[in-house]
Amino acid sequence: DAGITQSPRHKVTETGTPVTLRCHQTENHRYMYWYRQDPGHGLRLIHYSYGVKDTDKGEVSDGYSVSRSKTEDFLLTLESATSSQTSVYFCAISVRRTSGSKEQYFGPGTRLTVT
Amino acid sequence: SQKIEQNSEALNIQEGKTATLTCNYTNYSPAYLQWYRQDPGRGPVFLLLIRENEKEKRKERLKVTFDTTLKQSLFHITASQPADSATYLCALDMNTGNQFYFGTGTSLTVIP
Repeated sequence: DAGITQSPRHKVTETGTPVTLRCHQTENHRYMYWYRQDPGHGLRLIHYSYGVKDTDKGEVSDGYSVSRSKTEDFLLTLESATSSQTSVYFCAISVRRTSGSKEQYFGPGTRLTVT
Repeated sequence: SQKIEQNSEALNIQEGKTATLTCNYTNYSPAYLQWYRQDPGRGPVFLLLIRENEKEKRKERLKVTFDTTLKQSLFHITASQPADSATYLCALDMNTGNQFYFGTGTSLTVIP
């Protein structure tokens, strides 16, 4: 599992409240990702990081911010949660092989419900 | 941006048969095409990948083909077992950035 943990695993929150999800890895990987997974849409990239304090937007970044102050932690924040952000959120790291290919390894996911 | 389509319907097959899953994409061919397995309530797990210039790749009972002319990859599980029941995702690595593009997945059920 590449030593990836996510917290919390489940959360129910109300519309308008801020929410922070945490991803922690133990293997010093440079690249970290946040995805959301919804029925009919598959996995969609929210933000990713390519190093401490280095982040970039993905396909569905509106309403989300991220921070990476340490290599091992990548935080995803919903500044003001909306019902459309009810989803399952996955953190991932990528590993580059000597061949040049990359593989992704995922955390267990966080199920977020916004009421 | 890439649009990736996988079998829209769930796939049910009898144990021992070969399951074939399809991944079609638009626009540019990826440098690498990957396949992942996802069990309910868990994150996807990397299975194998195939390079743009490879036609076929095998790993145990798994076989992946890649046709850049058709813009299609096929994922085969031979001698399928009930334990192979899961959702299978394909993903594109364009190798021009650090992003991956995922399909919506195909749910496979292997019936004993």
